[in-house]
Amino acid sequence: ETGVTQSPTHLIKTRGQQVTLRCSSQSGHNTVSWYQQALGQGPQFIFQYYREEENGRGNFPPRFSGLQFPNYSSELNVNALELDDSALYLCASSLDLNWGGEAFFGQGTRLTVV
Amino acid sequence: KNEVEQSPQNLTAQEGEFITINCSYSVGISALHWLQQHPGGGIVSLFMLSSGKKKHGRLIATINIQEKHSSLHITASHPRDSAVYICAVRANSGGGADGLTFGKGTHLIIQP
Repeated sequence: ETGVTQSPTHLIKTRGQQVTLRCSSQSGHNTVSWYQQALGQGPQFIFQYYREEENGRGNFPPRFSGLQFPNYSSELNVNALELDDSALYLCASSLDLNWGGEAFFGQGTRLTVV
Repeated sequence: KNEVEQSPQNLTAQEGEFITINCSYSVGISALHWLQQHPGGGIVSLFMLSSGKKKHGRLIATINIQEKHSSLHITASHPRDSAVYICAVRANSGGGADGLTFGKGTHLIIQP
């Protein structure tokens, strides 16, 4: 048990819809990152939040957006869903902004876009 | 070419065998992580390394910064070790946050 909780665990959406995925970080962790993992691939970095501010972003379009709240929980929002957005979405929390510390991962949300 | 390469991609071994999974990377890093992912998706962090060697139970991880190479070893392997093992690095980006860069993983099956 890592202390990082993601919800929902599974989700089915229709192309064009919007989705919000949630992540509760390990207690005290102020840094959270989101990753997309397509089937058979390693996770790809979407973005990172530190103390409610986005401070890093991977190669994902603007329709992928996020929020981090004062309690350091986080949301990933995806607008105008496409079939290729079907993947496992993982969040990871850390106490250290630059990942010098341990990273703790959630169980992931499996999103299917039909 | 992926910045993080793992080998082998797939490995099937018999219970009790000594297992080695390799990871090579092409960028300067501040840390390397070894992660374990079971079917269903959840990822567990096994090790975080910036130099040398770490051991936890039957697992050993080593890193050679000069050669940009790390290995994960499993001694006395057991069927419950069957999982995907992923190497991930935190690059020295010089500013800003780039997150972790992951290898594609090594799918390990330990047969009884």
